[in-house]
Amino acid sequence: NAGVTQTPKFRILKIGQSMTLQCTQDMNHNYMYWYRQDPGMGLKLIYYSVGAGITDKGEVPNGYNVSRSTTEDFPLRLELAAPSQTSVYFCASSETESEKLFFGSGTQLSVL
Amino acid sequence: GQNIDQPTEMTATEGAIVQINCTYQTSGFNGLFWYQQHAGEAPTFLSYNVLDGLEEKGRFSSFLSRSKGYSYLLLKELQMKDSASYLCAVVDSNYQLIWGAGTKLIIKP
Repeated sequence: NAGVTQTPKFRILKIGQSMTLQCTQDMNHNYMYWYRQDPGMGLKLIYYSVGAGITDKGEVPNGYNVSRSTTEDFPLRLELAAPSQTSVYFCASSETESEKLFFGSGTQLSVL
Repeated sequence: GQNIDQPTEMTATEGAIVQINCTYQTSGFNGLFWYQQHAGEAPTFLSYNVLDGLEEKGRFSSFLSRSKGYSYLLLKELQMKDSASYLCAVVDSNYQLIWGAGTKLIIKP
């Protein structure tokens, strides 16, 4: 049981570069989420999806984009990386909107 | 605005009991989660409360009072492996999860 698989685990970007964080889940969950976690702060929702073809903004969407072409995959795209995007990113999925979340292992991103 | 308060850090002794409190002010309530997060790892689910009262699960218990906007996580017979951050999260009326900043629990031998 792989659960939620997230890659890469670590990445260093230069200011202005772009990259895609990959996330895939094998639990057939409709709900998927991208969070960022900064030291001493709660998890902040970037984008979420309630099913293939449907995405919506969370609390901190600026500078990011997502797509959901399949139930399994929910990649997060960073365009024109900025130092403020230095953070730990977590992908998560759940069966319904009020069920527990299953998290990927996280991506530590540094923008220098 | 919506707000969840938890202590930033707590210290306890191996074998003892510790209670981590969480108070919340949210637009509506559809449940409260507790997650455990070890340093450098992802959060993992511990408990879910939607009705008032105590839910016991082994060494861990979680309590909810909706009228007081209050929950606590009780950890008994503390072990060194319980050293982690404990995250409180509330499901609001729009079924959005509102997260607290987490409580870092340090266990000393």
